[in-house]
Amino acid sequence: GAGVSQSPSNKVTEKGKDVELRCDPISGHTALYWYRQSLGQGLEFLIYFQGNSAPDKSGLPSDRFSAERTGGSVSTLTIQRTQQEDSAVYLCASSRQIYEQYFGPGTRLTVT
Amino acid sequence: QKEVEQDPGPLSVPEGAIVSLNCTYSNSAFQYFMWYRQYSRKGPELLMYTYSSGNKEDGRFTAQVDKSSKYISLFIRDSQPSDSATYLCAMSGAGTASKLTFGTGTRLQVTL
Repeated sequence: GAGVSQSPSNKVTEKGKDVELRCDPISGHTALYWYRQSLGQGLEFLIYFQGNSAPDKSGLPSDRFSAERTGGSVSTLTIQRTQQEDSAVYLCASSRQIYEQYFGPGTRLTVT
Repeated sequence: QKEVEQDPGPLSVPEGAIVSLNCTYSNSAFQYFMWYRQYSRKGPELLMYTYSSGNKEDGRFTAQVDKSSKYISLFIRDSQPSDSATYLCAMSGAGTASKLTFGTGTRLQVTL
């Protein structure tokens, strides 16, 4: 079946602009996660949605970052007033179980 | 100190060799242990997961968890050039702590 999809695959933006990154999870997966991967760093947890529960936002690095999940499916990660340190690959994952998170291909964000 | 430590490599081995990849961790609450493979410019792909201590085998891959030492390993037998990738260990607690904590990844190169 279809895997996790993300769009756009690449995004170049100017410092100070807002960006929106989209994630379409695997159908039927109730949990959705956003991670960030910077060069030479591991994956850094950002936010987690589980069903209708309040999201776990403990990994968001600043209040410029926000995310929503509509209808328990598609999610959008928004970064306001982008900074150069926001340049990274943003990865989305979905799962039914904790131990089986399936990742999308990522969005490569470059802030110039 | 990071919660999960992983040697970044690179690790270069000849085709057919047995590869050993390892991670250590400090959080005794971790219960699920995963290994992901990530090819360049792709999202991580789940290889195996293990719950608590013990061994698990899947084809050429064997995962081991030693909770008493807080040490996990992934062995790859009869390594192939197609195994060349970055291998990421990941861990999570049980219950509601569903985010994954990743190591930084070990880059593996299998040469002909």
